[in-house]
Amino acid sequence: QSALTQPASVSGSPGQSITISCTGTSSDVGGYNYVSWYQQHPGKAPKLMIYDVSNRPSGVSNRFSGSKSGNTASLTISGLQAEDEADYYCSSYTSSSTGVFGTGTKVTVL
Amino acid sequence: QVQLQESGPGLVKPSETLSLTCTVSGGSISSYYWSWIRQPPGKGLEWIGYIYYSGSTNYNPSLKSRVTISVDTSKNQFSLKLSSVTAADTAVYYCARTQTMVRGVISFINWFDPWGQGTLVTVSS
Repeated sequence: QSALTQPASVSGSPGQSITISCTGTSSDVGGYNYVSWYQQHPGKAPKLMIYDVSNRPSGVSNRFSGSKSGNTASLTISGLQAEDEADYYCSSYTSSSTGVFGTGTKVTVL
Repeated sequence: QVQLQESGPGLVKPSETLSLTCTVSGGSISSYYWSWIRQPPGKGLEWIGYIYYSGSTNYNPSLKSRVTISVDTSKNQFSLKLSSVTAADTAVYYCARTQTMVRGVISFINWFDPWGQGTLVTVSS
């Protein structure tokens, strides 16, 4: 199973909106609504930000939103803040009954 | 709330077996699936496999021949064994509770939450 494809880096100024893409195939992202997103600050464990494509866990800011179209899922961060600077990973269920992560995207707040 | 803590040797010799344990506190290990996930230094996340509290497992095909995940419900722990390790297995290893949707005989992995803090395992002689 190949990792899902994410851009290596995305940047934006405070207050702006950015979108991170996560591209897979019909055997993973496109085939199931089981896409989740994780935020990881340096030296820390990943934190769940979005589950089942577009749902936010309790306690996660509503500035984070998720969506999916075909084989590509997206995470949008609106009103970008300095604390949002981190690595972000998508994850999906696959037709092999396994889990797969994305390649990861480094978000920089300019 | 549920907390997870990984434990085990931080240094393993090449060709030997890596062994880690995840202790679950603040809740029961029963009725949930539990995963191991790793992250080589400076690289991305890789799902290793999961175990249900009943003992059923599913592994990443790329690691399946070397991986064994087991559970001890009496201790509220689950464990990872990875055999014949090489330098490529050097990574931070995380354990995580795994939310799944079971439909018939298929367990669909939904998301991973919460995660342990992770433990670095270095493979070196």
